[in-house]
Amino acid sequence: KQEVTQIPAALSVPEGENLVLNCSFTDSAIYNLQWFRQDPGKGLTSLLLIQSSQREQTSGRLNASLDKSSGRSTLYIAASQPGDSATYLCAVSPAGTALIFGKGTTLSVSS
Amino acid sequence: DAGVIQSPRHEVTEMGQEVTLRCKPISGHDYLFWYRQTMMRGLELLIYFNNNVPIDDSGMPEDRFSAKMPNASFSTLKIQPSEPRDSAVYFCASSPYRVSTDTQYFGPGTRLTVL
Repeated sequence: KQEVTQIPAALSVPEGENLVLNCSFTDSAIYNLQWFRQDPGKGLTSLLLIQSSQREQTSGRLNASLDKSSGRSTLYIAASQPGDSATYLCAVSPAGTALIFGKGTTLSVSS
Repeated sequence: DAGVIQSPRHEVTEMGQEVTLRCKPISGHDYLFWYRQTMMRGLELLIYFNNNVPIDDSGMPEDRFSAKMPNASFSTLKIQPSEPRDSAVYFCASSPYRVSTDTQYFGPGTRLTVL
C-alpha cells in the first residue's frame, strides 16, 4: 500500500531564507507527483506536477525534484516571503487519477 | 469559471442525523473526487467518479456513507446516520484529465461537526 510521508510537519523560517520541504513515498510505481498549497480554511491549489519520466519542475521561486528510485521528492522555495506561509502537501498518483496525499508541512515565514 | 462549488461551507449537526454535502464540479471536467481531511489521518480519498460513474469507492469508510452523481454538474455525499467521528473537512475536486499534465481542482471544502 502506497504511503506518503512529509518531514518536517512544521517549519518556521525568517523572511528571505531558502528552504526545502521533503516528501517520501513507499512505492516507486507512480504516474506523477504533485505539490499543493493549502491556506487556512481554503481548498488546495496545485503548485507543481512532475511526471514520472521527469526529474524536476520549476515555477517562479519554486522548484520540485523527483527521484523515483529512492522514493523522494523535494520542494525548494527560494527567498521565502510571509505570503508563502501555508501548508504544503505532496501527493502521488499511482495511475494518473486518484491522489494519495502526505499529511503536509506547515510553513511559517516571519517578517 | 467559478471553480468547484461546495455547499454548505459549514455544517453542525447532532449524532444520528442525516447529512448531505453537495458539489458542483467545473464544467467540462469528467472526473469528480470526494476527499476527507482530518488532523489524524490527513487527506483521504473517499470515492471518485468518471463520467458520472463511480470508479473507486474503496475509501468510503462504511455503509453509512454514500455518494451519487446524477449528472455531470452535480454530486452529493450523504452520511446517514452521522457520528462524532465523521467530523472533518470534506473536499470535492474535479479534473478534465485529458492530458498527462492535468491536475485536480479543489473546492473550498465543507467543515462538518457532528455533536
